[in-house]
Amino acid sequence: DQQVKQNSPSLSVQEGRISILNCDYTNSMFDYFLWYKKYPAEGPTFLISISSIKDKNEDGRFTVFLNKSAKHLSLHIVPSQPGDSAVYFCAASEMDDKIIFGKGTRLHILP
Amino acid sequence: DGGITQSPKYLFRKEGQNVTLSCEQNLNHDAMYWYRQDPGQGLRLIYYSQIVNDFQKGDIAEGYSVSREKKESFPLTVTSAQKNPTAFYLCASSIDGTGGTDTQYFGPGTRLTVL
Repeated sequence: DQQVKQNSPSLSVQEGRISILNCDYTNSMFDYFLWYKKYPAEGPTFLISISSIKDKNEDGRFTVFLNKSAKHLSLHIVPSQPGDSAVYFCAASEMDDKIIFGKGTRLHILP
Repeated sequence: DGGITQSPKYLFRKEGQNVTLSCEQNLNHDAMYWYRQDPGQGLRLIYYSQIVNDFQKGDIAEGYSVSREKKESFPLTVTSAQKNPTAFYLCASSIDGTGGTDTQYFGPGTRLTVL
């Protein structure tokens, strides 16, 4: 039973446009959410996170939005750049518990 | 130059053989983790350790074993009991393992192929 769902396996976006990656979760006890970015044959790297007490967190071109009532979060990348082409993992955790990862969304930035 | 190292990058083994994957970190982190990634799958937790000489099973521990004799090292053994061992294995570490707020840092991974 997947607690963290990324329903889009892949997404293609034109360079310079906004990329929106979506993530849904089922466990209402999750209180911390993260996004990781992964290039092929490399380990994931931490990108941005958000606590459940917030609904938005911004870091440069990356913004994460959290809608607790819908159990949904999204990652916005604007403007999208070629180096953003990667697999993005959504992850969530309850306080003091392990992180649960989604299956990932492969983002292709088109020239 | 701090970080997490995993060796080797690629590993081939014959079916029925045990194999040990190395993971070393010099970040002075207390917690270390092993994940497995399969095509179309997320990262699934195999084992984790929050302190030396202690470790806990993750979601898919069957067929795997670990040890944590030193803070810097967390080797993973893939035993012959693991039914589908071919995968990309990722090691991670974090400061103290206290949930999601404790950011995990990943190594470069080892791709294991069992022939």
